[in-house]
Amino acid sequence: AQSVAQPEDQVNVAEGNPLTVKCTYSVSGNPYLFWYVQYPNRGLQFLLKYITGDNLVKGSYGFEAEFNKSQTSFHLKKPSALVSDSALYFCAVRESGSSASKIIFGSGTRLSIRP
Amino acid sequence: GAGVSQSPSNKVTEKGKDVELRCDPISGHTALYWYRQSLGQGLEFLIYFQGNSAPDKSGLPSDRFSAERTGGSVSTLTIQRTQQEDSAVYLCASSSQGYIGQPQHFGDGTRLSIL
Repeated sequence: AQSVAQPEDQVNVAEGNPLTVKCTYSVSGNPYLFWYVQYPNRGLQFLLKYITGDNLVKGSYGFEAEFNKSQTSFHLKKPSALVSDSALYFCAVRESGSSASKIIFGSGTRLSIRP
Repeated sequence: GAGVSQSPSNKVTEKGKDVELRCDPISGHTALYWYRQSLGQGLEFLIYFQGNSAPDKSGLPSDRFSAERTGGSVSTLTIQRTQQEDSAVYLCASSSQGYIGQPQHFGDGTRLSIL
């Protein structure tokens, strides 16, 4: 069965510093990996995805993520954090090869950027 | 174009009552998902509809929960004999399944409060 883990409930970063939000996954086949962001009282918004190809994926709002197959990780990164990046971030995984497979979400990481 | 629409945005009801939550997906999206989110926590998968296939109901927490999708479009999640532990935000998402790497598009959710 597929699963995804976000080991940190909260990440605190000073504005202007780089940030990393961690995600590891487990699937039996090839993974499709996603990052979403959720602002208060809103649904989730898609940030970026890894399907195949380059291990470094670039997405919205200056975020990027690095796929590492050997470590089964897909960490979200940004070179310089903004206060407006403060939100709840979710990693998600889907097993490729089957349209019947559902998307599984991690437990979420709350990112707090201090001015 | 219009995104995923959920109604009502807020619902307060008494314990023991039945409630119906509605989701209007993006036009043409064949996949539809329901999730439950408690107090800004992670997403709990409830049910997944994919085209004309039988829905994946594996996440429904009890037989008080049911969902249907009429005409491959609008979906209704019904909770019978509500309990206080049903209080949560119920999120709906849709995606185009022409390619299963497509990201999900989320509505802003229905905040359900059981008194």
